[in-house]
Amino acid sequence: KAGVTQTPRYLIKTRGQQVTLSCSPISGHRSVSWYQQTPGQGLQFLFEYFSETQRNKGNFPGRFSGRQFSNSRSEMNVSTLELGDSALYLCASSLVQGADTGELFFGEGSRLTVL
Amino acid sequence: AQTVTQSQPEMSVQEAETVTLSCTYDTSESDYYLFWYKQPPSRQMILVIRQEAYKQQNATENRFSVNFQKAAKSFSLKISDSQLGDAAMYFCAYRSASKKLTFGTGTRLTIIP
Repeated sequence: KAGVTQTPRYLIKTRGQQVTLSCSPISGHRSVSWYQQTPGQGLQFLFEYFSETQRNKGNFPGRFSGRQFSNSRSEMNVSTLELGDSALYLCASSLVQGADTGELFFGEGSRLTVL
Repeated sequence: AQTVTQSQPEMSVQEAETVTLSCTYDTSESDYYLFWYKQPPSRQMILVIRQEAYKQQNATENRFSVNFQKAAKSFSLKISDSQLGDAAMYFCAYRSASKKLTFGTGTRLTIIP
């Protein structure tokens, strides 16, 4: 069974640009969560989607948005990039909403560098 | 809001020895889940062990076990017979009633051969 796939793995953008990151969950998983990981702030929750609906949202500005498609694939978008958006963005999927079994399956992440 | 604190940014242990990673959390909820996740260098994060707050018995998974002290809001991870493959960042995480996960800042574990 294929794991969680995130694309692209690495990308470099400049301030003011926007970026879209993609996440394909494990087949059959309907919940997808996004996290931002930085050395200074650690892992911070962005949002969670279940059945194409955003069910939970972290404390990030409106420049951060996401969506989920009917096949459970998810995308997150960051507009008007700032230097502080440089981070590893992790996607995690789970079989049921909110990882009721406790297990989130993580992708390898998309490393974004903003210059 | 819940907070998770890992007070040890870095730890090291000799191969085959035992090490304990600390985690404390703050919550007003009575029902929740706690987890330890492992993130090896340049590899995916994986679940190590979970603990349901309503269970008094400490969870165990092979060489990994936890010491869950609900009243003290403490959740430490013990790794026995440490192996080179245990080298990683370890994150403690709390799942609230709203099912949102909050992570600690992590502990980098080094295994000394």
